[in-house]
Amino acid sequence: NAGVTQTPKFRILKIGQSMTLQCTQDMNHNYMYWYRQDPGMGLKLIYYSVGAGITDKGEVPNGYNVSRSTTEDFPLRLELAAPSQTSVYFCASSPPTQETQYFGPGTRLLVL
Amino acid sequence: GQNIDQPTEMTATEGAIVQINCTYQTSGFNGLFWYQQHAGEAPTFLSYNVLDGLEEKGRFSSFLSRSKGYSYLLLKELQMKDSASYLCAVWGSQGNLIFGKGTKLSVKP
Repeated sequence: NAGVTQTPKFRILKIGQSMTLQCTQDMNHNYMYWYRQDPGMGLKLIYYSVGAGITDKGEVPNGYNVSRSTTEDFPLRLELAAPSQTSVYFCASSPPTQETQYFGPGTRLLVL
Repeated sequence: GQNIDQPTEMTATEGAIVQINCTYQTSGFNGLFWYQQHAGEAPTFLSYNVLDGLEEKGRFSSFLSRSKGYSYLLLKELQMKDSASYLCAVWGSQGNLIFGKGTKLSVKP
């Protein structure tokens, strides 16, 4: 099992550009999450999904969109990149019991 | 509101014992997690407590008191590789994890 994979590892965007952060898990987990982590701060939940076709907002959803068309994939879309979206983005998944979350390696995003 | 507090930084000596505290106030409680995060890496799962008491796993133990909204992570026989940030997270009523800001632990020789 590869676990949770994320692409790209690092990206520089100009203000106003758009991009999609990819996340895939091969553990057949129902639950998937997107977090952002700013320096010296804890992880903040952006969006989460309890299964294919179902998504819900987390604590900081503004400026982002998600979709969950399959169990495996949970892409995060930035439509109009802003400097405030400079952060490290982690995708995670968990089984229905939610006794743990497995994190991907992260995507470092710099918006200039 | 929802709040999770833990110390920002701690320093300890190799071979010693260190206790990292976490207090929480959340709407709903379904369990408390501790994660370890080395610089530049993803968080990795350490422990999960849902009932009061102590859970021991090798050199790491985690304690929970639900009535006090309090948990701690105990690390024994500290090693240099234990230098990392330790994140306390509460599984809230909405089914998502609420994270504290993390405690950066530095282990000195």
